[in-house]
Amino acid sequence: AQSVTQPDIHITVSEGASLELRCNYSYGATPYLFWYVQSPGQGLQLLLKYFSGDTLVQGIKGFEAEFKRSQSSFNLRKPSVHWSDAAEYFCAVGAKGYSTLTFGKGTMLLVSP
Amino acid sequence: DGGITQSPKYLFRKEGQNVTLSCEQNLNHDAMYWYRQDPGQGLRLIYYSQIVNDFQKGDIAEGYSVSREKKESFPLTVTSAQKNPTAFYLCASSIDPGSYTFGSGTRLTVV
Repeated sequence: AQSVTQPDIHITVSEGASLELRCNYSYGATPYLFWYVQSPGQGLQLLLKYFSGDTLVQGIKGFEAEFKRSQSSFNLRKPSVHWSDAAEYFCAVGAKGYSTLTFGKGTMLLVSP
Repeated sequence: DGGITQSPKYLFRKEGQNVTLSCEQNLNHDAMYWYRQDPGQGLRLIYYSQIVNDFQKGDIAEGYSVSREKKESFPLTVTSAQKNPTAFYLCASSIDPGSYTFGSGTRLTVV
């Protein structure tokens, strides 16, 4: 069975500072990996996804993530955080041939002025 | 614009009552999903459907039921057998594996 761990429940970053949100997965084969963002009381929005190929993937809103097979990680990064990035971020893993995802428990990002 | 519509946004259920949450999409996606979200627990899969008239149980299907009579619609019924139904319910659809489009959710509260 696949699983996702997001080690940080909350992270606070100053506006303009860089951001890295951690995600570790457990899956026997090559996973499909995703990052989603959720604003309070809303649904989730897809930020980026990795299926294969280049291990550094670019997403919307200036986010990027790097797949590191040796570390079973798919960390999300942004060089300069804006106050509007404050939200909850979810990492998810899927498998080839299956449409369902397993989500992590989320990391809440707080942005300080 | 295409998207997913969930209704109602807020729903209150009395003990022993069945309630149905609506999910409609106009994206022409084949696959649809229901997830339950509890604080600090992430999203857990209740049911999913990859084609009309077919659906599969997810990880926490007990106390829930679904139907998929039309491609556009995937309603979720929370039955009286679900002992702890208070949660935020999210519907999603997809055409590519894992690339979900989510609705804005229904918050269900037991009163």
